[in-house]
Amino acid sequence: QKEVEQNSGPLSVPEGAIASLNCTYSDRGSQSFFWYRQYSGKSPELIMSIYSNGDKEDGRFTAQLNKASQYVSLLIRDSQPSDSATYLCAVNEGNTPLVFGKGTRLSVIA
Amino acid sequence: DAGVIQSPRHEVTEMGQEVTLRCKPISGHDYLFWYRQTMMRGLELLIYFNNNVPIDDSGMPEDRFSAKMPNASFSTLKIQPSEPRDSAVYFCASSLEGVYGYTFGSGTRLTVV
Repeated sequence: QKEVEQNSGPLSVPEGAIASLNCTYSDRGSQSFFWYRQYSGKSPELIMSIYSNGDKEDGRFTAQLNKASQYVSLLIRDSQPSDSATYLCAVNEGNTPLVFGKGTRLSVIA
Repeated sequence: DAGVIQSPRHEVTEMGQEVTLRCKPISGHDYLFWYRQTMMRGLELLIYFNNNVPIDDSGMPEDRFSAKMPNASFSTLKIQPSEPRDSAVYFCASSLEGVYGYTFGSGTRLTVV
């Protein structure tokens, strides 16, 4: 059974701070890693993907991958109240279906 | 492109009734996925198709659930008979080649009373 684990939160950070979201996965064969953002009552929206060890930056978002530790994280710099949402980590191997974590709820306090 | 289109957005039905959810994937996407989301279990894969062919339906909870994809632009998920424990948000998603991130539809919120 492939598993993706996330702390459910809520994670509360003040506006302007760095939010750090973490995810671990059980399948060592996982090759692709994604972060989705889901606002309350809305559908998941892809915000970052990462395929190799290290960091990948896109605007205020940085995804970090460590395959040896089976760990992937998402950093959000200069957090804004509009970043308040649930963040879902998802992984897959090749073209097998994505396995999702249950998500971490982030609350950015103005 | 209009994205992945699901209908209806909301469905309230009585226990024992048949429910049909519909999905139109993004044109050109060759993978289609049906997920169910609940607070307790998160996003669970029910079934997925590649080029209209069902590949894995092991996530379908019971024989009461069935899914079809008669062509590249349309899929249905049917529950017959429905039960209160089927209440959830059902998402359809599509993907190109299955190796890239998925695009989700807006979901169908199903309530079975």
